[in-house]
Amino acid sequence: EADIYQTPRYLVIGTGKKITLECSQTMGHDKMYWYQQDPGMELHLIHYSYGVNSTEKGDLSSESTVSRIRTEHFPLTLESARPSHTSQYLCASSVWTISGANVLTFGAGSRLTVL
Amino acid sequence: AQSVTQLDSQVPVFEEAPVELRCNYSSSVSVYLFWYVQYPNQGLQLLLKYLSGSTLVKGINGFEAEFNKSQTSFHLRKPSVHISDTAEYFCAVSDHSAGGTSYGKLTFGQGTILTVHP
Repeated sequence: EADIYQTPRYLVIGTGKKITLECSQTMGHDKMYWYQQDPGMELHLIHYSYGVNSTEKGDLSSESTVSRIRTEHFPLTLESARPSHTSQYLCASSVWTISGANVLTFGAGSRLTVL
Repeated sequence: AQSVTQLDSQVPVFEEAPVELRCNYSSSVSVYLFWYVQYPNQGLQLLLKYLSGSTLVKGINGFEAEFNKSQTSFHLRKPSVHISDTAEYFCAVSDHSAGGTSYGKLTFGQGTILTVHP
């Protein structure tokens, strides 16, 4: 049973539309992440958050933006979608283990297609 | 900086055969190592992790992996695969973070698609 939820799972939209990908977790994790995944490629971190009102850019530059107003919610927004934004977007959250490792739990993903 | 190389992009095997998915990493500091599995149209699920202690790590679904520090490898193995093991497998590494300011960044490999044939 998933503890981290992403909606929509699939989205097909036209160029220029504004879209928001939702991500919610029920585990009370402070840290949340957005990864972008293209076929045959590794996952790239595009945004992360340490907690409420904390957001940072990841390793891969992205035109998307994120917000973290509540601990459990970490939405990703594209103001004007383009075909180059077509990809799968994976949300994750994490908690530190006793040993100091950061173990991530992933959502099912949102597959975005921009025509 | 860290990097992860998964040496095989695709691995086809027959059902009940053994399989090994290879992963090598590079890092200038001590690391934690992970294997995730992604079934079609799903997110990533943690298979197993190496944090410390025994270098042989057992995970879910009968998988295991061995951490070899001298060879900087973390290969995933299963002695007998099932059709249901067909999926994409990702190796990932993160550095030993001190907590606090570090976000424990995970660096992923490119993935290995395991296809199990009847």
